[in-house]
Amino acid sequence: GPKVLQIPSHQIIDMGQMVTLNCDPVSNHLYFYWYKQILGQQMEFLVNFYNGKVMEKSKLFKDQFSVERPDGSYFTLKIQPTALEDSAVYFCASSLDWGVYEQYFGPGTRLTVL
Amino acid sequence: GQQVQQSPSSLVLQEGENAELQCNFSSTATQLQWFYQSPGGSLVSLLSNPSGTKHTGRLTSTTVTKERRSSLHISSSQTTDSGTYLCAIARLTRKLIFGLGTTLQVQP
Repeated sequence: GPKVLQIPSHQIIDMGQMVTLNCDPVSNHLYFYWYKQILGQQMEFLVNFYNGKVMEKSKLFKDQFSVERPDGSYFTLKIQPTALEDSAVYFCASSLDWGVYEQYFGPGTRLTVL
Repeated sequence: GQQVQQSPSSLVLQEGENAELQCNFSSTATQLQWFYQSPGGSLVSLLSNPSGTKHTGRLTSTTVTKERRSSLHISSSQTTDSGTYLCAIARLTRKLIFGLGTTLQVQP
């Protein structure tokens, strides 16, 4: 099936540093998403993005978080500065359009903040 | 409370047995997806089934929208089916709301 890629698969950084997580969505998809899963806990929605704009974000999407997709390249999640509670696996997803379309997920980036 | 409730929370089967996983949700859903999460954490979409019955391979999902429930049937389970099965819904917005999952262990 369609594949979403995420780079890197693992990232370890010190608290307070900036980190950028990269997502390569399915090529003809228009909607992009980030989800967060703390080890052993529920998957939770962070943000969705369409046509260069954030459409919806959750309470977990703190002011330190930002997303962008410059010129159709990677869809990125940037955290600046990072905090210990940001340690989690971050999943990127994409869907074809707004309607009842399946979301395809990447393999996740495991972020460890020390 | 939980908007998406999955049962059972865990299930142990012998290889070859069938599994029936349930998902109940608290309000109308316009989208429903079943996912498999491997023990290593990677996520695979199994089925998108907001209503009716869908089959793929050994998997059958039946969603009764007005009763706010969906099931995932796994026939002839294999040890490689072991992992966590997640149900997720979306309403008018596109954010998926996930359940806590059913952890399946298939023994040889």
